[in-house]
Amino acid sequence: EAGVVQSPRYKIIEKKQPVAFWCNPISGHNTLYWYRQNLGQGPELLIRYENEEAVDDSQLPKDRFSAERLKGVDSTLKIQPAELGDSAVYLCASSTPGQETQYFGPGTRLLVL
Amino acid sequence: SQKIEQNSEALNIQEGKTATLTCNYTNYSPAYLQWYRQDPGRGPVFLLLIRENEKEKRKERLKVTFDTTLKQSLFHITASQPADSATYLCALGGNQGGKLIFGQGTELSVKP
Repeated sequence: EAGVVQSPRYKIIEKKQPVAFWCNPISGHNTLYWYRQNLGQGPELLIRYENEEAVDDSQLPKDRFSAERLKGVDSTLKIQPAELGDSAVYLCASSTPGQETQYFGPGTRLLVL
Repeated sequence: SQKIEQNSEALNIQEGKTATLTCNYTNYSPAYLQWYRQDPGRGPVFLLLIRENEKEKRKERLKVTFDTTLKQSLFHITASQPADSATYLCALGGNQGGKLIFGQGTELSVKP
């Protein structure tokens, strides 16, 4: 079984530029999560989807961050414009309904210069 | 506000010894607690889940305890090996849908 796929693995941009991350969850996993992990910290939830519906986006900075999961499968997280403080690892995870275990992708490491 | 604290210092132990990692929390009543392992450049990998009505859970060389009175979980790796070197994250969940709240992680280094 293929795991959670994320791309790109690394991204370096200048501040004020836009950036997008893509995630393809494990097949059959209806729940998709986007996390941000700062250096030396644990992951922090940004948004959670159940199929195509965002059921928890309370921690998403909506002035510059947006996300979509149009067909309830893969998802895109966008930042526009990026700020220096957005440098972090962006992790995607997925799970099936009622399953507490989350399966994480390798993450996208973002560096904003 | 909800707060989770793990061993702030990195843990260095000798191969063959038992590693014990601590996870303390406040202002939260989780239905379950999970432990994940994270290697550099990789995403977290699930290890164990323990529910609020369970005191202890074991899996091979791993053991987790959960004390809801003390608001603490202990994670033990017995007969530790250099391959166990990684960052270990505890995560609380169960009261807000599938949302997990992670601690900052403890870096474990096992020396041969």
